[in-house]
Amino acid sequence: QVQLVESGGGVVQPGGSLRLSCAGSGFTSINYAMHWVRQAPGKGLEWVAFIRSDGSNEYYTDSVKGRFTISRDNSKNTMYLQMNSLRPEDTAVYSCARVMSGNYDAFDVWGQGTMVIVSS
Amino acid sequence: EVVLTQSPGTLSLSPGERATLSCRASQTITTTFLGWYQHRPGQPPRLLIHGASSRATGIPDRFSGSGSGTDFTLAISRLEPEDFAVYYCQYYGGSPWTFGQGTKVEI
Repeated sequence: QVQLVESGGGVVQPGGSLRLSCAGSGFTSINYAMHWVRQAPGKGLEWVAFIRSDGSNEYYTDSVKGRFTISRDNSKNTMYLQMNSLRPEDTAVYSCARVMSGNYDAFDVWGQGTMVIVSS
Repeated sequence: EVVLTQSPGTLSLSPGERATLSCRASQTITTTFLGWYQHRPGQPPRLLIHGASSRATGIPDRFSGSGSGTDFTLAISRLEPEDFAVYYCQYYGGSPWTFGQGTKVEI
């Protein structure tokens, strides 16, 4: 069964850091590009970051550039999101998603998400 | 950046009725890069349509996608109780990947 499971969310003060993980199972990680997507309370889906299957290239939404870093360890079938200098507006459920094929395709598998709350 | 605008914001219908959801892009996009997702509360988003009109694996044929250029449509031919959810269109042709703001289909 193909599955993605996120972990690492929690409550953090503004300016703090968190590292999210996304563990994949039922498929070979190195074959798939991946994304992080977030949903703030009461809001819609927002794309956050992308990483190629081999980790050779990354893209970020403007609001997180310079603060968030996406990475992956294909030997562990796991992707990460290092979040620094967190702001209250980063509060959201963060989900990882798999690209169906290649780098530019729909997101065919999603995790349940992990909640991040940035508050003093 | 491709901005996607969905309409209406909310669609109030009854089971058995037909739903038609619209997604308008701020510029012409290749149909290859347009998808639709269903999002129910407490569940991860579910891919319904990719390439503007191709149903994803396991998606019932009451869901259909169409459109080209800047105007795209998701139709649900006969609403089932489990279809009441929020629907998002998405552009995935490159950075930034973008989602529409969503259409809520409610009873």
